[in-house]
Amino acid sequence: IAGITQAPTSQILAAGRRMTLRCTQDMRHNAMYWYRQDLGLGLRLIHYSNTAGTTGKGEVPDGYSVSRANTDDFPLTLASAVPSQTSVYFCASSEAGGGNEQFFGPGTRLTVL
Amino acid sequence: GQNIDQPTEMTATEGAIVQINCTYQTSGFNGLFWYQQHAGEAPTFLSYNVLDGLEEKGRFSSFLSRSKGYSYLLLKELQMKDSASYLCAVLDSNYQLIWGAGTKLIIKP
Repeated sequence: IAGITQAPTSQILAAGRRMTLRCTQDMRHNAMYWYRQDLGLGLRLIHYSNTAGTTGKGEVPDGYSVSRANTDDFPLTLASAVPSQTSVYFCASSEAGGGNEQFFGPGTRLTVL
Repeated sequence: GQNIDQPTEMTATEGAIVQINCTYQTSGFNGLFWYQQHAGEAPTFLSYNVLDGLEEKGRFSSFLSRSKGYSYLLLKELQMKDSASYLCAVLDSNYQLIWGAGTKLIIKP
């Protein structure tokens, strides 16, 4: 692994189903983030984690949950997907929170029907 | 509310210079980032400004005026590979990034 990876690359999901998007980084970064990117809108922060064992809510957390059991992994779970969650999801990491450069994963394109 | 404004789209000619503006109104300010995002790809870091003035990095420069809530990204000697979206983001008082919708830059030969 080099950098930050996400899985799956893309997914089509029926509404009401549960889905976990995976994110793994090998840079030993303390902070990790989940964003969604929708056409015409800026990236919006869903959840973040400043260090393993802690998480926080971003701008649009409803319908999503995260966990940070270790430094490397930061999965995002949609408990019961809805069509408005159709989006491109980016995971990112940085050495620490705050004014540090964020490194982004390749993204997951999710379609909820 | 918090707001980041950028032009939606700009067109420029290969070899020319283009300036992409960003104005912001946020709850606090702890720095401003510019990222580049090619279509279908992840954003990649270009620059970070926390003090007023111009930061130059090769063909790219970024300027910040905190009193005016204004920044610009200057791209010189444009190349076709510079065709991308350019995202402006401000670190607010909670140290969370607030992102603009991005400026799609189209380079013509």
